[in-house]
Amino acid sequence: KAGVTQTPRYLIKTRGQQVTLSCSPISGHRSVSWYQQTPGQGLQFLFEYFSETQRNKGNFPGRFSGRQFSNSRSEMNVSTLELGDSALYLCASILGAGNEQFFGPGTRLTVL
Amino acid sequence: AQRVTQPEKLLSVFKGAPVELKCNYSYSGSPELFWYVQYSRQRLQLLLRHISRESIKGFTADLNKGETSFHLKKPFAQEEDSAMYYCALYSGGSNYKLTFGKGTLLTVNP
Repeated sequence: KAGVTQTPRYLIKTRGQQVTLSCSPISGHRSVSWYQQTPGQGLQFLFEYFSETQRNKGNFPGRFSGRQFSNSRSEMNVSTLELGDSALYLCASILGAGNEQFFGPGTRLTVL
Repeated sequence: AQRVTQPEKLLSVFKGAPVELKCNYSYSGSPELFWYVQYSRQRLQLLLRHISRESIKGFTADLNKGETSFHLKKPFAQEEDSAMYYCALYSGGSNYKLTFGKGTLLTVNP
């Protein structure tokens, strides 16, 4: 069974631009969560989607948004990029409650 | 609100020495606790979870509700254990959000 995949793996943007990251969960997994990983703050929860519905959102500004498609693939979007948005963005998928969350390799975003 | 604290950012031990990575949590309900590990250039992966009570790669962790702790232990550290370790809490409910600590970078020296 293929693992969680994320595209692109690396991205370089400049301040003020916007970016879209993509995540494909493990087949059969309907929940996708997104996390921001930085050296200073560690892993911080962004949002979680289940069956195309956002069920929970972390403490991030409205510039961070996401969505999930009917095939469970998810995208997150960051608008008006700031230098502080430079991070590794991870997505995770899970089959259901009580099961393991599987993480993707991440997208490394660098904002110049 | 839930919180996970890993007091040590860095931990360095010698091969064969015991290792303990500390994790304390704050949550009013009955949480589910996990340890995740991230080896160099690899993706974050589950190491163990308290409900399974397993020993994975020689690591164990016991949930102490009185002290609200979930420390990770291994009696004899190996060089291949060098990695970033994250303690995480799942509070249950209708979403699968994990609250992570900031991580401890373990280095096992030869």
